[in-house]
Amino acid sequence: AQKITQTQPGMFVQEKEAVTLDCTYDTSDPSYGLFWYKQPSSGEMIFLIYQGSYDQQNATEGRYSLNFQKARKSANLVISASQLGDSAMYFCAMREAYFFSGGSNYKLTFGKGTLLTVNP
Amino acid sequence: NAGVTQTPKFQVLKTGQSMTLQCAQDMNHNSMYWYRQDPGMGLRLIYYSASEGTTDKGEVPNGYNVSRLNKREFSLRLESAAPSQTSVYFCASSESRHASPLHFGNGTRLTVT
Repeated sequence: AQKITQTQPGMFVQEKEAVTLDCTYDTSDPSYGLFWYKQPSSGEMIFLIYQGSYDQQNATEGRYSLNFQKARKSANLVISASQLGDSAMYFCAMREAYFFSGGSNYKLTFGKGTLLTVNP
Repeated sequence: NAGVTQTPKFQVLKTGQSMTLQCAQDMNHNSMYWYRQDPGMGLRLIYYSASEGTTDKGEVPNGYNVSRLNKREFSLRLESAAPSQTSVYFCASSESRHASPLHFGNGTRLTVT
């Protein structure tokens, strides 16, 4: 079963409008983290925002905010006042702990992404 | 600041050839990762390493080997390349803290003919 689901392969938004990119997740780890990354056409991966499972408030970073609904296991990214430069692929990712002989660490599982196009 | 450096940026191989993708980070991170990105598949974890001397298989390890040479370097080797390994490969590193994001290299675009 998929751990991270992004149901919108593509989204369109008009410049200056807000857009919500959906992400649902599945985990049995009570202490997990959720990340959003942006990948423009140039290919680099850019970290946008983080939400921890125990965080009481929704994360915000400038025009990015995370609509975290823990009971529904969703962590949607909201981009306000869209700009042409926001056109990119957006990935939701979940961090879970794993254990090895030397201790514990974390690994990130990514969704398949949503391609956002901002129209002028 | 260099961050995470991957080499080469592009590579074309024939089926059966071998090669090693190099990755180095200068952020003193303990954790390092190799992902592959294919259209419509997102990023899939190949191998990861919590510290020097430890490596673990990810979601798609078949056909690959890794070496965590030291804290800075984490290489990915294809012993006998196959067309199914045509992909973009990303190396990443992070601190060993829960909220630490992954820092990615710029990727290696590999084509196997």
